[in-house]
Amino acid sequence: KAGVTQTPRYLIKTRGQQVTLSCSPISGHRSVSWYQQTPGQGLQFLFEYFSETQRNKGNFPGRFSGRQFSNSRSEMNVSTLELGDSALYLCASSRVGVRESNTGELFFGEGSRLTVL
Amino acid sequence: QKEVEQNSGPLSVPEGAIASLNCTYSDRVSQSFFWYRQYSGKSPELIMSIYSNGDKEDGRFTAQLNKASQYVSLLIRDSQPSDSATYLCAVIGGSQGNLIFGKGTKLSVKP
Repeated sequence: KAGVTQTPRYLIKTRGQQVTLSCSPISGHRSVSWYQQTPGQGLQFLFEYFSETQRNKGNFPGRFSGRQFSNSRSEMNVSTLELGDSALYLCASSRVGVRESNTGELFFGEGSRLTVL
Repeated sequence: QKEVEQNSGPLSVPEGAIASLNCTYSDRVSQSFFWYRQYSGKSPELIMSIYSNGDKEDGRFTAQLNKASQYVSLLIRDSQPSDSATYLCAVIGGSQGNLIFGKGTKLSVKP
């Protein structure tokens, strides 16, 4: 069974540019959550999508956005990149939403490491 | 106030010892608690979940929950060098229902 796939794995951008990251969840999983991981702040919740609907959003500026497609694949976009956006962006999938399952079991991808210069 | 707090460590224990990892959370309505393990350069994976006060054992791992004190812990018995990793405490946030992580405690088990 294929795991969560994230692309690209590594990317380098400059300040002011925008970036789009992609996530393909495990087959049959309808919920996708996105997290930002940095050494200083740890894993911070960005947003969760379930059946193409954004369920909730973390405390990030509007430059961070996302969407989910009918096949459950998800993308997140960061516009007007800042140096502080350099991080590992992790996508995680689950069969249903976190709130519905209550199991807390998320299956994480290997992440997209973004460096902003 | 950070919603889920953990000591960042590093916590160093000798092989065969008991490693004790602690976590506190701020949202009193939280009902579900989890421990994830993250090896260096890898993604987090779920290792334990606990929903009721008391202890839950799974092999060498024991999760403990005290809702009155808003405290969760993870004990690793007979620690092995392969247990060396960062352990993340996670809580399903009461207001939004998403999974909120602490910053993690780095554990190092010395042979």
